Amino acid sequence: ETGVTQSPTHLIKTRGQQVTLRCSSQSGHNTVSWYQQALGQGPQFIFQYYREEENGRGNFPPRFSGLQFPNYSSELNVNALELDDSALYLCASSLGVGQGNEQFFGPGTRLTVL
Amino acid sequence: DQQVKQNSPSLSVQEGRISILNCDYTNSMFDYFLWYKKYPAEGPTFLISISSIKDKNEDGRFTVFLNKSAKHLSLHIVPSQPGDSAVYFCAARDSGNTPLVFGKGTRLSVIA
Repeated sequence: ETGVTQSPTHLIKTRGQQVTLRCSSQSGHNTVSWYQQALGQGPQFIFQYYREEENGRGNFPPRFSGLQFPNYSSELNVNALELDDSALYLCASSLGVGQGNEQFFGPGTRLTVL
Repeated sequence: DQQVKQNSPSLSVQEGRISILNCDYTNSMFDYFLWYKKYPAEGPTFLISISSIKDKNEDGRFTVFLNKSAKHLSLHIVPSQPGDSAVYFCAARDSGNTPLVFGKGTRLSVIA
C-alpha cells in the first residue's frame, strides 16, 4: 500500500509568481486536506476536498485554490505569491470526512518565496 | 486567536524516564483530541487520540489524559526512548465536519 506522496519536495519562487503543488492520496482514500505549516507554527488548515468537491475552507484568501481529480489525487494552486507564503505545505488523505477518519500526512512540499 | 496551545516549545528528558507533554484548548466545542509526532523531512504521524467521553486512553507506552473542566490534555510517554525525539503536535476538532486545529508543537529530546 502506497502512502501519501507529494511533489515537488522543495520549490523556490519569486513574489507574484504562481505555484502548483501536487498530492497523491493513499490508496482507497477519497478525502484530501491541505495544510500550511509556517516556521515555528503548527499546521493550519487551508481546505479539504471530498470526492472532487471542496468540503470546507480555512481562513485563506481566494488566491489559494485547489482541485481533486477522479483518482482522488489533488492539487494546491497559489497565485500572486507573497513572501509570507513561504512554508511547508502538507497534504493529508483519509477514508472520509468524519471525526474517526484518521488523516495520513505526506512529507510536505517546502515552498520558499523570494 | 490560538484555540489549541502548547506552551512548552521544547522538553528534554533522560532515556527511561517519563515524558509529559501538555496541551490546553479554549474552544469548549472541541470533543476529539489527537496527538501527532513529526520527524524532520516527514509528515506528521498519528500517535493517539481521545474522545471527550473518556478521560484516559492508553496505547503501549503512550497515554493521553483529558481534563475537560480545565480544558487540558497531556501525553505521557513511559519509558521514553531516544527514538521518541521528535516534534509533538496536539490537535482538536469538534463533532461537526470541521477541520483539525493544531497547536504549535513541542520538540521532545530524549537523551541517552
